Amino acid sequence: QMELQESGSGLVKPSQTLSLTCAVSGGSISRGGYSWSWIRQPPGKGLEWIGFFYHGGTTYYNPSLKSRVSISVDKSKNLFSLNLTSVTAADTAVYYCARGQVQFDSWGQGTLVTVSS
Amino acid sequence: EIVLTQFPATLSVSPGERATLSCRASRSVSRNLAWYQQTPGQAPRLLIYGASTRATAVPGRFSGSGSETEFRLTISSLQSEDFAVYYCQQYDNWPPGVTFGGGTIVEIK
Repeated sequence: QMELQESGSGLVKPSQTLSLTCAVSGGSISRGGYSWSWIRQPPGKGLEWIGFFYHGGTTYYNPSLKSRVSISVDKSKNLFSLNLTSVTAADTAVYYCARGQVQFDSWGQGTLVTVSS
Repeated sequence: EIVLTQFPATLSVSPGERATLSCRASRSVSRNLAWYQQTPGQAPRLLIYGASTRATAVPGRFSGSGSETEFRLTISSLQSEDFAVYYCQQYDNWPPGVTFGGGTIVEIK
């Protein structure tokens, strides 16, 4: 059974860069033709797609975040990462990693990232 | 960007009753529509994909229908564990992208 686990800093200062990784176990990130995604949820609010690393090697991002976000994959370590630059309080959210792009069938438990000085 | 509108925002239902949730897309998404269930403190759980296909281990009381711009999630007989927030989500082929609806809270009446 595939499992995903987010890790990274839970507190980021305004204007700095948010960095998270998602470790994948129970399957290879390189196989199966899957895409790997990041999704976030501000406290008490709905879900927002951030972007995905397409299985063909291309990344696609939410247009509203495109100028600040990057997603990369480390196949040797079976993990993928999220970087979000120039963060503000509006970026405070639970960040989830997930498998898929058309639908998301496996999710990490989520990690709360707070942007505060 | 395709906008998904879910209604009602809150649905009050008694255990054992039927619940019908709706999701409307601002333009056609064909059948690239999924439904998720989220309980407090948990990650969303995929229920339905391709508008009507149940995901692995999802009970038969959950069913999805619709196409193009109008979709429904029906829970035939609500169990205690079904009281949660439900989200619809679409995938756009080009440019590739994803949007979620605002969610419907299913609460105990």
